[in-house]
Amino acid sequence: GQQLNQSPQSMFIQEGEDVSMNCTSSSIFNTWLWYKQEPGEGPVLLIALYKAGELTSNGRLTAQFGITRKDSFLNISASIPSDVGIYFCAGRDDYKLSFGAGTTVTVRA
Amino acid sequence: EPEVTQTPSHQVTQMGQEVILRCVPISNHLYFYWYRQILGQKVEFLVSFYNNEISEKSEIFDDQFSVERPDGSNFTLKIRSTKLEDSAMYFCASSERTGGARYGYTFGSGTRLTVV
Repeated sequence: GQQLNQSPQSMFIQEGEDVSMNCTSSSIFNTWLWYKQEPGEGPVLLIALYKAGELTSNGRLTAQFGITRKDSFLNISASIPSDVGIYFCAGRDDYKLSFGAGTTVTVRA
Repeated sequence: EPEVTQTPSHQVTQMGQEVILRCVPISNHLYFYWYRQILGQKVEFLVSFYNNEISEKSEIFDDQFSVERPDGSNFTLKIRSTKLEDSAMYFCASSERTGGARYGYTFGSGTRLTVV
């Protein structure tokens, strides 16, 4: 399957800080998705991006679909304790998602 | 908010036994998927299913795996003869459409399969 490189692998952040993570791929995707996963739960969709260059916000989250369709970033502004979790990028072609390895976010109060 | 429901939440089975993982997708969704996540690793695609047949499957989805939609609401994943390396979280997902359409997947909470 396609390889997605997600970075950073983990981060410790201070409450109130902004967070940024990104994904790159050697393949083009039609759609980029960002999911959050908490322990014992399935991935929950945060933001979906459908057009190259698209910038989309969902509350404190902002994500962009790269112009080349091979990359995307996710920003979390003013982090709070409930932002703790693992964030996954995923690229979609017709029938499946290919996931990045995840970014583990830990917030220090 | 409509949900994808998976049962059981945790299954322990002996190596070589058959297991069936069950999913109830969202009722108006047409596309169904199984993914798995080995502990500490990324989520991996297993299979997609539409119109009562497999649309695509990964190299993980070998002859030991099968999927079925036995009635109008359930979607099952069967592993015929489990191996230790089948231990993972298995996630079911569904979507209204696929391709470029503006529909995201909804994932269930997963079944943790432990093979001993």
